[in-house]
Amino acid sequence: SAVISQKPSRDICQRGTSLTIQCQVDSQVTMMFWYRQQPGQSLTLIATANQGSEATYESGFVIDKFPISRPNLTFSTLTVSNMSPEDSSIYLCSARTGLHTEAFFGQGTRLTVV
Amino acid sequence: EDQVTQSPEALRLQEGESSSLNCSYTVSGLRGLFWYRQDPGKGPEFLFTLYSAGEEKEKERLKATLTKKESFLHITAPKPEDSATYLCAVTDNFNKFYFGSGTKLNVKP
Repeated sequence: SAVISQKPSRDICQRGTSLTIQCQVDSQVTMMFWYRQQPGQSLTLIATANQGSEATYESGFVIDKFPISRPNLTFSTLTVSNMSPEDSSIYLCSARTGLHTEAFFGQGTRLTVV
Repeated sequence: EDQVTQSPEALRLQEGESSSLNCSYTVSGLRGLFWYRQDPGKGPEFLFTLYSAGEEKEKERLKATLTKKESFLHITAPKPEDSATYLCAVTDNFNKFYFGSGTKLNVKP
């Protein structure tokens, strides 16, 4: 298993600003992911964070809006850029230790854009 | 096309009233099916992994089963602390994770 720490746990931000969310895993993991979860909804994959290379984004998500870094096997950041109220959501970091294995999740970052 | 469909969307049970949650999937080349529990304001908590039809896993009052088209999460004699949203997810040959929309379970004392 893996223990994932995310920070901040919540934030209220002004529109037009950017927020960087940090994700730290307590052990080296093969794969790291970022998800978004609207209130009462299921999880939507934003991107796969690739160690040492550009992230792989899902349809509807672009690098300019959600730049992601993964400098090593235990750490990743997600930035939500030029925020608007539509970006208000819960952002979750996830990690998997191998192919076709379960994913572990952080506690999430609750973002409110005003 | 939805890859994972969960039913019912919401379920209210009395304490001790057993029931089952359903997760049906349409991905080709299923490589794993996962059940999670999510409490309000928290990230999903991993419960079970199932890899092949006929497989079963148990943990306390929960039992997960898998067929070629669906999985069931059976809850035996639930308690109020079992109240949560239960999410199902599958992974395919391309190692992509697909989540269902979840079943919100409310167990009343």
